[in-house]
Amino acid sequence: DGGITQSPKYLFRKEGQNVTLSCEQNLNHDAMYWYRQDPGQGLRLIYYSQIVNDFQKGDIAEGYSVSREKKESFPLTVTSAQKNPTAFYLCASSIWGGLNTEAFFGQGTRLTVV
Amino acid sequence: QKEVEQDPGPLSVPEGAIVSLNCTYSNSAFQYFMWYRQYSRKGPELLMYTYSSGNKEDGRFTAQVDKSSKYISLFIRDSQPSDSATYLCAMTRSYTGANSKLTFGKGITLSVRP
Repeated sequence: DGGITQSPKYLFRKEGQNVTLSCEQNLNHDAMYWYRQDPGQGLRLIYYSQIVNDFQKGDIAEGYSVSREKKESFPLTVTSAQKNPTAFYLCASSIWGGLNTEAFFGQGTRLTVV
Repeated sequence: QKEVEQDPGPLSVPEGAIVSLNCTYSNSAFQYFMWYRQYSRKGPELLMYTYSSGNKEDGRFTAQVDKSSKYISLFIRDSQPSDSATYLCAMTRSYTGANSKLTFGKGITLSVRP
């Protein structure tokens, strides 16, 4: 089955720790994206990548980092510098630059800081 | 003023009702308009996609865009309990490149009562 796989589904982190969220796709999509969703806030773009070894900051990149070493993978690291990391994180992919066409979302990772 | 405003909800309707979900936007450069449906604890899925002004119908769903009023709507006919979800509007300026990034509304949660 083609799709996007995010793991883990639930993640707990202690304050001051970095944590990495996994996102893998087998759709052969060039573009991948990370969003954060908070209650009543909609989706906000953290980082996006349109090609391997290249990525761009989105609207709320502070406290996050990403890498794109392989086309299939776009992991997100939530660093200790992120002041309010508890949220639902969504990864998406699409054909190159074409989020206006069908974008596929993963099932999300719910991160809780304890 | 936020770029995309969406009625906050929540919205509760009886089964069989016609549902109207709406978004307004301020940026006249938006050209592509989408509606995503998100079930609880899941990733969003693309429901409808339209380009510029006009109507698009798909089964019980109709997407309507009025660019002169900067207003988009999603109509659901004969609503079913399975339609209970959060609906997010999204829009973008361009098909490719940096301007293809999606801007989302905050989402509205719909509950269809049996």
